[in-house]
Amino acid sequence: RKEVEQDPGPFNVPEGATVAFNCTYSNSASQSFFWYRQDCRKEPKLLMSVYSSGNEDGRFTAQLNRASQYISLLIRDSKLSDSATYLCVVNYYTGGFKTIFGAGTRLFVKA
Amino acid sequence: DGGITQSPKYLFRKEGQNVTLSCEQNLNHDAMYWYRQDPGQGLRLIYYSQIVNDFQKGDIAEGYSVSREKKESFPLTVTSAQKNPTAFYLCASSTQGPTSGANVLTFGAGSRLTVL
Repeated sequence: RKEVEQDPGPFNVPEGATVAFNCTYSNSASQSFFWYRQDCRKEPKLLMSVYSSGNEDGRFTAQLNRASQYISLLIRDSKLSDSATYLCVVNYYTGGFKTIFGAGTRLFVKA
Repeated sequence: DGGITQSPKYLFRKEGQNVTLSCEQNLNHDAMYWYRQDPGQGLRLIYYSQIVNDFQKGDIAEGYSVSREKKESFPLTVTSAQKNPTAFYLCASSTQGPTSGANVLTFGAGSRLTVL
């Protein structure tokens, strides 16, 4: 089982749709969580951190469920410019911190 | 503007040749990293460095080497011992290093290596 798992997609949605990404992680000692966005053939960029109480940044909402060991990202009112791959990232401690990247979920937003 | 510069952006190599990928940052970050990305897989850590003149192996260090002689620079050499070197290589840096649970990475634009 992979340490961080994501649905590879792709998700094809029309503009204006709401889309949700889920990510599960296997290590219960995981400490911090992030969503990164990666455009085609570009580098990943931090989209948002994920806090225990959940957090929102404009059209984006991130949630953490420690009991079930999953993280979610919700995008409301999708724009064409949201088309990208969304990477789930988990840090956990194992004698030093380890950063694990999910393989990403690809999103296509269509006009 | 502060950032991370990787070069070259594209590189072609014949089998048996070593190549060196450059990574320079002007963010004043202490920690630097090299990752490899293959289609359908998450980023995998090759090497990281928390301080000048010190570096640690990541999960897939075999066939790679690094140096950290200056804070700003962390070049990666892909040696002929690396069995499957064709990949997208990403350099990253962070302020706090991997000992921090809140470690946030800033990436360079990447170097795409193809072995012919």
